[in-house]
Amino acid sequence: DGGITQSPKYLFRKEGQNVTLSCEQNLNHDAMYWYRQDPGQGLRLIYYSQIVNDFQKGDIAEGYSVSREKKESFPLTVTSAQKNPTAFYLCASSISWGTGELFFGEGSRLTVL
Amino acid sequence: GIQVEQSPPDLILQEGANSTLRCNFSDSVNNLQWFHQNPWGQLINLFYIPSGTKQNGRLSATTVATERYSLLYISSSQTTDSGVYFCAVERGSSASKIIFGSGTRLSIRP
Repeated sequence: DGGITQSPKYLFRKEGQNVTLSCEQNLNHDAMYWYRQDPGQGLRLIYYSQIVNDFQKGDIAEGYSVSREKKESFPLTVTSAQKNPTAFYLCASSISWGTGELFFGEGSRLTVL
Repeated sequence: GIQVEQSPPDLILQEGANSTLRCNFSDSVNNLQWFHQNPWGQLINLFYIPSGTKQNGRLSATTVATERYSLLYISSSQTTDSGVYFCAVERGSSASKIIFGSGTRLSIRP
């Protein structure tokens, strides 16, 4: 079935460690996105990619990095520079930037101890 | 940038009741979507509705683009309808981003 797969679903890390969250889609979508959600809050855009080998910062990019080497994959690295990394991270894709429905993966819950 | 406001922020209903959730936006939009976030955190697409009315079973949505609002109707609520409902809008220009409202938390009591 087509969809977006995020892994891992749960992740625990010590403070100061970098962690990478995986996002893979088989929908043949050009655009991909990373959002952060804190408890009881809405979604905030971290990074987005309109097409392979291209990405732009969203509203809260500090302390995060991404790559888009393949159309299907858009991994997010939460670096040690991110001051409050504990959050729920959601990856999404759409057929192209600014058009079409947005589809989400199941999310990755990161807890930094 | 465009502002998105959802109301009410919280809603508690008995099973079987009907409800209306509202999404107001401050500027014209090309895209509007409604999502349901289930208790496990996954966002489920409900409607892609930049204008007009759509129905899917007990749920329906109406967007009046000229008046800058959208409504999500849930009829005969079930406990599985509980969760947070988000609307998200996008203006369609190359520089714009998809903006989410803060959500309506719906609790359906048995």
